[in-house]
Amino acid sequence: ETGVTQTPRHLVMGMTNKKSLKCEQHLGHNAMYWYKQSAKKPLELMFVYSLEERVENNSVPSRFSPECPNSSHLFLHLHTLQPEDSALYLCASSQDEGTGANVLTFGAGSRLTVL
Amino acid sequence: GQSLEQPSEVTAVEGAIVQINCTYQTSGFYGLSWYQQHDGGAPTFLSYNGLDGLEEKGRFSSFLSRSKGYSYLLLKELQMKDSASYLCAGMDSSYKLIFGSGTRLLVRP
Repeated sequence: ETGVTQTPRHLVMGMTNKKSLKCEQHLGHNAMYWYKQSAKKPLELMFVYSLEERVENNSVPSRFSPECPNSSHLFLHLHTLQPEDSALYLCASSQDEGTGANVLTFGAGSRLTVL
Repeated sequence: GQSLEQPSEVTAVEGAIVQINCTYQTSGFYGLSWYQQHDGGAPTFLSYNGLDGLEEKGRFSSFLSRSKGYSYLLLKELQMKDSASYLCAGMDSSYKLIFGSGTRLLVRP
């Protein structure tokens, strides 16, 4: 496989469920990102990892918990979410976290619906 | 915080030229990128301007004026497949990309 792969593509969960989103990149990049995309709103940066170390937590509620076990994999653990968390969650990677972050490669996203 | 403004929607005819604008507060960003996103798809990188001026890549060109806080994406010889959302993104002082809300381009036959 090439590029950035996200699973699942679609997820429906109740407010009391616990689920995880998975992202895998096959590009040899050193930085990985989680973005949230809601209708009519700009992409919102949630988390940044550089060389498996979290370098940014953009004031995201604790019900979202990221994990980066290695430079190729990124997870977003979800628990006790709210209906307003329903959105498209996009994973991205870049060569590095500095000036190389101008060129992001995105995955196709995980469409999350919270009932 | 910094924000980028884009028109919400633009309509153009197949074969024509269309310009999509992006404005931001001056001295806010180090450089500006453009991404294309089809409905249900991932944003894909189109171009980057680190310095003022025009960058050309085939049918797509992007322009940046840092002193005016202004960028545009120019699409020539429009094709139906160009119907998509176009996102501008600026790199802030901590090297994070801040995105605009996107401009939805509709290409009509």
